[in-house]
Amino acid sequence: GNSVTQMEGPVTLSEEAFLTINCTYTATGYPSLFWYVQYPGEGLQLLLKATKADDKGSNKGFEATYRKETTSFHLEKGSVQVSDSAVYFCALTPRGGSNYKLTFGKGTLLTVNP
Amino acid sequence: DVKVTQSSRYLVKRTGEKVFLECVQDMDHENMFWYRQDPGLGLRLIYFSYDVKMKEKGDIPEGYSVSREKKERFSLILESASTNQTSMYLCASDSHGQGTDTQYFGPGTRLTVL
Repeated sequence: GNSVTQMEGPVTLSEEAFLTINCTYTATGYPSLFWYVQYPGEGLQLLLKATKADDKGSNKGFEATYRKETTSFHLEKGSVQVSDSAVYFCALTPRGGSNYKLTFGKGTLLTVNP
Repeated sequence: DVKVTQSSRYLVKRTGEKVFLECVQDMDHENMFWYRQDPGLGLRLIYFSYDVKMKEKGDIPEGYSVSREKKERFSLILESASTNQTSMYLCASDSHGQGTDTQYFGPGTRLTVL
């Protein structure tokens, strides 16, 4: 079956530090890959996505590259802000067919201190 | 923008009560989902629906049922609430079959069963 493994954290950084949250996946075929973010007290919202190998998703200074050879989709940001404090979820969905369920990682809590 | 709304942000119920959680989306999406979110477990799919009156079990359907009588509305029902159903419940929708596979989430309902 499909699965997503991400570093569980919590991750605590100072403002302007570099962020990496690792995510690897197991899936048949060529899934679409996502990063969702959940700010305190809110639901999840899409941060970025990539639908094929070597695609780079980017948004709000965050980036992730779809690496088929290493089955990875690591999230990076060059300089984090206090407002980036949130829980980050890596997820995948199979392409094609009738199975379109999202499979999530367990989430990584990021706290950014001023 | 896609909007997914949930009927309550916070709910407190007693063991044995019948509980209804309502979700409405305004973008004519075919697919709707109910997840529960628990610390250390991430998001787990309870049920999903790919059309009116159609439903499929997710990973943890026990103790829950769903209803989708109209395309825009998807209800989660706890027939007899138990304390182990205390959790955050998240609703989502997408239009996977229409060329996009991004799920849009509501703000969540935090249910406490006493």
